[in-house]
Amino acid sequence: GAGVSQSPRYKVAKRGQDVALRCDPISGHVSLFWYQQALGQGPEFLTYFQNEAQLDKSGLPSDRFFAERPEGSVSTLKIQRTQQEDSAVYLCASSPNRDGDYGYTFGSGTRLTVV
Amino acid sequence: DQQVKQNSPSLSVQEGRISILNCDYTNSMFDYFLWYKKYPAEGPTFLISISSIKDKNEDGRFTVFLNKSAKHLSLHIVPSQPGDSAVYFCAAEHFGNEKLTFGTGTRLTIIP
Repeated sequence: GAGVSQSPRYKVAKRGQDVALRCDPISGHVSLFWYQQALGQGPEFLTYFQNEAQLDKSGLPSDRFFAERPEGSVSTLKIQRTQQEDSAVYLCASSPNRDGDYGYTFGSGTRLTVV
Repeated sequence: DQQVKQNSPSLSVQEGRISILNCDYTNSMFDYFLWYKKYPAEGPTFLISISSIKDKNEDGRFTVFLNKSAKHLSLHIVPSQPGDSAVYFCAAEHFGNEKLTFGTGTRLTIIP
């Protein structure tokens, strides 16, 4: 597709439930990022892939968060045993690898509400 | 520890006038800075960037200024148009580390 696609757009989860959020990056983009944006805040880095390799996961808030990109294309962010503080918009972005003055392309995000 | 700060949560500007959005950073390792624009229910979209070797970068109505000694950057939009109404995020990174550190955003409203 032309842009970064994320699904679902909205997810309501009961506390303790596991969720999986999907990201389809722009075709051919090597780098893929996940960010978490809480209400009234800027996006915060979670993790970064280059192809299928997870090169940085320093932003994952706890071991309940897990991300994968097994074939270097689609990525899934999984949150186990969701807590209320996990409520946020989860943004995925992709980049063809930095070359020149442009930033990465973000998807529209998945809004997760934990009740 | 907020390494990138946008101290004005909101700004209102008359259509046709100049909009100036400000951003301060504390990490001297940052060497590349970007501005993103965000409409409701959409992801941020890249607007303009500047490398630390420059002090100004211009793209149409948008100009970004960087003052390294003050650790300050600003985005100028002139003339402002109603379609510029959005939340603007400042972001920074340092070489070799592709992750971005974002500010908390400034909501710009252009008054017709």
